[in-house]
Amino acid sequence: DQQVKQNSPSLSVQEGRISILNCDYTNSMFDYFLWYKKYPAEGPTFLISISSIKDKNEDGRFTVFLNKSAKHLSLHIVPSQPGDSAVYFCAIRAPPQFYFGTGTSLTVIP
Amino acid sequence: DGGITQSPKYLFRKEGQNVTLSCEQNLNHDAMYWYRQDPGQGLRLIYYSQIVNDFQKGDIAEGYSVSREKKESFPLTVTSAQKNPTAFYLCASSITGPTNEQFFGPGTRLTVL
Repeated sequence: DQQVKQNSPSLSVQEGRISILNCDYTNSMFDYFLWYKKYPAEGPTFLISISSIKDKNEDGRFTVFLNKSAKHLSLHIVPSQPGDSAVYFCAIRAPPQFYFGTGTSLTVIP
Repeated sequence: DGGITQSPKYLFRKEGQNVTLSCEQNLNHDAMYWYRQDPGQGLRLIYYSQIVNDFQKGDIAEGYSVSREKKESFPLTVTSAQKNPTAFYLCASSITGPTNEQFFGPGTRLTVL
């Protein structure tokens, strides 16, 4: 049973606009949430994270929001740039494991 | 220059042969992980190890084996019992703790002919 879901397999956004990637999870015991970015044929790279005691974390153009009551996580990228085009995975930590979503492929159109 | 290396990047094997994928890290991380990625799917956990000489099965361990004799190394063997071994394999490591992210290697694409 999938514990982490990313329901949008792909997303296209114009350069300069906001990209919003979403992630839903099932287990309220999860305590730490992460976003990774992945280019083809490469390993994922860590982007940003948030712990369950917060509802927002910001790092430059990237902001992660956590809505614990809705069991929903989102990543906002503002402004979007062509170099942001990649697959984005949400990951959730349930110690000692991490559970990953299926990924959303973001295309930023110049 | 710290990081995780996986070798080789591409690997071809005949059906029925065992094959071992290498994973080495010099980040001094205690925990190491092996994932498999298939098209349209997320990363699925095969095995993980939190300390030397100890490892645990993940969600899809059948047909795989691992060892953790050194902190730096966590090789994965894909055995002939694995029914569908063609996939992209990713190794990761992390510190153990409440706010640990994983660092990933570049991956190995295994193709079984």
